[in-house]
Amino acid sequence: EAQVTQNPRYLITVTGKKLTVTCSQNMNHEYMSWYRQDPGLGLRQIYYSMNVEVTDKGDVPEGYKVSRKEKRNFPLILESPSPNQTSLYFCASSLLGLDSFNENLFFGSGTQLSVL
Amino acid sequence: AQTVTQSQPEMSVQEAETVTLSCTYDTSENNYYLFWYKQPPSRQMILVIRQEAYKQQNATENRFSVNFQKAAKSFSLKISDSQLGDTAMYFCAFMKHPSNAGGTSYGKLTFGQGTILTVHP
Repeated sequence: EAQVTQNPRYLITVTGKKLTVTCSQNMNHEYMSWYRQDPGLGLRQIYYSMNVEVTDKGDVPEGYKVSRKEKRNFPLILESPSPNQTSLYFCASSLLGLDSFNENLFFGSGTQLSVL
Repeated sequence: AQTVTQSQPEMSVQEAETVTLSCTYDTSENNYYLFWYKQPPSRQMILVIRQEAYKQQNATENRFSVNFQKAAKSFSLKISDSQLGDTAMYFCAFMKHPSNAGGTSYGKLTFGQGTILTVHP
């Protein structure tokens, strides 16, 4: 089954304790991205990656890091989480190569993060 | 930069009736995509319907249809014969076409604030 898998679904942590949210897709998609969802703001893009070793900032990258060492994985790293990073996070992937574009994004199930 | 506005934070409708959710957007682009996503309590993001800006015909998917007014930059979603399972948060979203999307815009969805729809029995 084609899917984007995020883990964990729920995470409670304390300020300053490094954490990683994993994302994996099994569709051989070049494009992957991370969004955060906050009440009244909708979803906003944090980082995206157009292929292995190619990543770039989205609209709200401060406080986050990503890596793309393999095509299927795109982890989101919070090196020193703060309470303002409490949010619902989504990973998404799509076939967005320059020669083969499909505008439909596949979303993971979301990770609800609470930073105390 | 593109912006998407959903001016209705909450809407409610009786089962079997019709409801329309509003969305307006601002862009200087001529070629782009518009989407409606549904987010039920499970939090899953589910694509409801999509519209390509260069197509004049309004998209339809079963009970869901859109009213796309390109000049007015309006993209409303109509849900006919509402069902209890339609209860969810609905997001309107915009994406530039890749032919004119460069840099950080490539593949990026710009979302509205969301509208919570409640269907009452």
